[in-house]
Amino acid sequence: GAVVSQHPSRVICKSGTSVKIECRSLDFQATTMFWYRQFPKQSLMLMATSNEGSKATYEQGVEKDKFLINHASLTLSTLTVTSAHPEDSSFYICSAGRVRQETQYFGPGTRLLVL
Amino acid sequence: DAKTTQPTSMDCAEGRAANLPCNHSTISGNEYVYWYRQIHSQGPQYIIHGLKNNETNEMASLIITEDRKSSTLILPHATLRDTAVYYCISRPYSGGGADGLTFGKGTHLIIQP
Repeated sequence: GAVVSQHPSRVICKSGTSVKIECRSLDFQATTMFWYRQFPKQSLMLMATSNEGSKATYEQGVEKDKFLINHASLTLSTLTVTSAHPEDSSFYICSAGRVRQETQYFGPGTRLLVL
Repeated sequence: DAKTTQPTSMDCAEGRAANLPCNHSTISGNEYVYWYRQIHSQGPQYIIHGLKNNETNEMASLIITEDRKSSTLILPHATLRDTAVYYCISRPYSGGGADGLTFGKGTHLIIQP
């Protein structure tokens, strides 16, 4: 149990376009979902926290108008990278927190390449 | 979250026990120790967590010193698939996974055949 999926697993887009990444908890309801970003040879950095039905909380330095997060249900959160630029190329990973459990379950990640 | 210190990299022979140390000398009384690992190009995977007692599950054992200033993750019989970056994180219990995780640089464990 406790499986988190992401779609797509890999995406290549042109500079200036928008890309949507989906994160789903497949067999449990996630009270909270998190979005992380990981650049090559670096560690994961928390971008934002989203709770179902409310606005996401962004970490310092993360532009909320550029990285749009929607958490419409207890099993789905989406991250939209708007007007993507080459510097947004990265590995985007979501995780989900389970009600009354302390651990977080991570998705497999989405590799974004902006040309 | 309390700062943790881990060695940058470690080697271990396949089939032997891998012992990964973590120093968390500034840990406070309400902070747990968590271990996650990340295999190359995948999302992190939860391994184990504990407060002050030693813990064991199907993946690993966690040994926490009595003063809680350091801990060791033990993979009892390492396989090549255990090659990954292992992250030790200390943070308060938040219930329902309500807080994001702060990842350090972790230890790159390489299992040698």
